[in-house]
Formats: sequence, C-alpha cells, structure tokens
Amino acid sequence: DQQVKQNSPSLSVQEGRISILNCDYTNSMFDYFLWYKKYPAEGPTFLISISSIKDKNEDGRFTVFLNKSAKHLSLHIVPSQPGDSAVYFCAASPEIYNTDKLIFGTGTRLQVFP
Amino acid sequence: GAVVSQHPSRVICKSGTSVKIECRSLDFQATTMFWYRQFPKQSLMLMATSNEGSKATYEQGVEKDKFLINHASLTLSTLTVTSAHPEDSSFYICSASRGGDSNQPQHFGDGTRLSIL
Repeated sequence: DQQVKQNSPSLSVQEGRISILNCDYTNSMFDYFLWYKKYPAEGPTFLISISSIKDKNEDGRFTVFLNKSAKHLSLHIVPSQPGDSAVYFCAASPEIYNTDKLIFGTGTRLQVFP
Repeated sequence: GAVVSQHPSRVICKSGTSVKIECRSLDFQATTMFWYRQFPKQSLMLMATSNEGSKATYEQGVEKDKFLINHASLTLSTLTVTSAHPEDSSFYICSASRGGDSNQPQHFGDGTRLSIL
C-alpha cells in the first residue's frame, strides 16, 4: 500500500517556465513533508520542507504548497532551469521535524529543456 | 554542508556471496543512520534504523539475519547482505541524521547498486 504517491513518473518543462510536481498521501497522521532532489548516481539531497501547520513554504525559486484537507502537496519551481533536471521525491513523516520514519513517493523525473 | 559517503557504489557478485556496504558521515557525528532499499520504479523503502552502540531496529519484513547492520562509531555504519541471492539485487542507500537537532533532514549517501548473478 503506497502511502505517498507521485502519480506522474515524468514531467517535461521548458526553461523559464514553471514546473509543478505533485504528491498525494493517504495517511492523515503525516505532519511533516519534504522534497528531495536526486541526480543520477547520487543520493537524494534535501530541497525544502513544510510542516502541517503551514500551507506554504518558499525558498528562492522553490515553493511547496500543502493542502491538508486534500492530502496533497506540490512543489513549484519557477523559473525552471536546465540544472533542475533530476528526479524529485516527496517524503512524509508522522512527526513535525522528525525525519526518522520517512515514507517516500516513487519520484517524478523532471526534464527542463532549453 | 554535511556529506555522507557510501562505498562501494556498485557491486556485481555471484549468488551466495556476502557483501558489505559502508556508510560514513564525513563532517558530523551521526547518532542515527538509516538504510534504504529501492527496487526499480518503486520508492525508497526504509529497511532499518541504526543507532550507534546499540542494535539496529528493522522494519517489518526485513530479515535481520540476512541484513546485518553494525554502527560501531558515530561516523560509520555498515550493512552486510549475507549469502546474497538474485532477489537481493537492488539499490541500497544509507542516510545519516545528526540527532539532537530535530530540524535536520537526513543526509543521503550516493547509494550502492548491488547486482547478484
């Protein structure tokens, strides 16, 4: 049973445009959500997070939105750059700021083309 | 920033071989390390949580006698896949947490691609 779902395995966006990556979860006990970015042959690197007490968190070109009632979060990248091409994983935790029990989605491969 | 080093990056070996994977935190003391496994087109699945100086905690369905974890120091955890078989072929990745600082995300190694022939 996949508790964290990324239904789009891939996304292709033109440079300069907005990239929107989506993530849905089923467990209402999740209180902390993270996005990780992964390049080939490298481990995931932390990108941005959001706790359940917020509905938006912004860090430069990256913004994460959380809709708790819909159990949905999204990562917006604007403007998209070719260097953003990678696999993006969303992850969820049942405890705010605690990443000991992360549940990952299957990832979305983002390709940003010139 | 924090760096976690994982070695080797790739292993190809015969069925029945035991394989050891090392995970090192290079610039911080990791009280807790995590081992994940990822099969193709699936998500990263937590296998076990390794705490320095104590026994690892395994997730349901993960055989502790098959996947031996040792966390002998604050900078090193090892995963040994004992008597590996083709179904153990997967991508194994470790991560480390500083501990004590509740706002620190896990820092991941680059993973080990294990292929059992």
